[in-house]
Amino acid sequence: GAVVSQHPSWVICKSGTSVKIECRSLDFQATTMFWYRQFPKQSLMLMATSNEGSKATYEQGVEKDKFLINHASLTLSTLTVTSAHPEDSSFYICSARDLSGGPYNEQFFGPGTRLTVL
Amino acid sequence: SQQGEEDPQALSIQEGENATMNCSYKTSINNLQWYRQNSGRGLVHLILIRSNEREKHSGRLRVTLDTSKKSSSLLITASRAADTASYFCATEPRGGTDKLIFGTGTRLQVFP
Repeated sequence: GAVVSQHPSWVICKSGTSVKIECRSLDFQATTMFWYRQFPKQSLMLMATSNEGSKATYEQGVEKDKFLINHASLTLSTLTVTSAHPEDSSFYICSARDLSGGPYNEQFFGPGTRLTVL
Repeated sequence: SQQGEEDPQALSIQEGENATMNCSYKTSINNLQWYRQNSGRGLVHLILIRSNEREKHSGRLRVTLDTSKKSSSLLITASRAADTASYFCATEPRGGTDKLIFGTGTRLQVFP
């Protein structure tokens, strides 16, 4: 089946630093990837839709200058949390849609990245 | 918020019992999907049901969809301790941009 990886799986950083999270589709191409944030014991909230070769589309309330998304290739999207603060501590999950996956839009999820900002 | 709601929020049962989780959503959809998440891990896709389908089965899973009530249910039969996880429904809004809107989730605990 389709596999999506994320790197790193966890990261601890100091307040004010920037953190980059990578999302890769390992065995398929994805023009669209999605970034979600999940706080403890809560559901996934969509942050943005990452489109290969164009600007990301951000959900309402998500600061695009704080959460920089780059989708440079059909297999890689990156999320950079700039000037991270403790309230940005969360579980960040990406997903990717297989271009050849048929009409039913199944998305494949990465294992997530746990960010802790001290 | 477009987010769907699930109930119950938490469910505890014994092994062998059935577990039923319900999901309600707010918009017209193309399809509804159920996912499972073990604590602190990524999501595993369980089953997808299209808007023109009413029921679907996959192993011990049975999903129903009632678009008139904008609701779905997930039934896990003969539960096992390994089924302990959080379960989320996710809808793809019709006419949207392929994004998924997740429900609030049900935390299932199955005791051996």
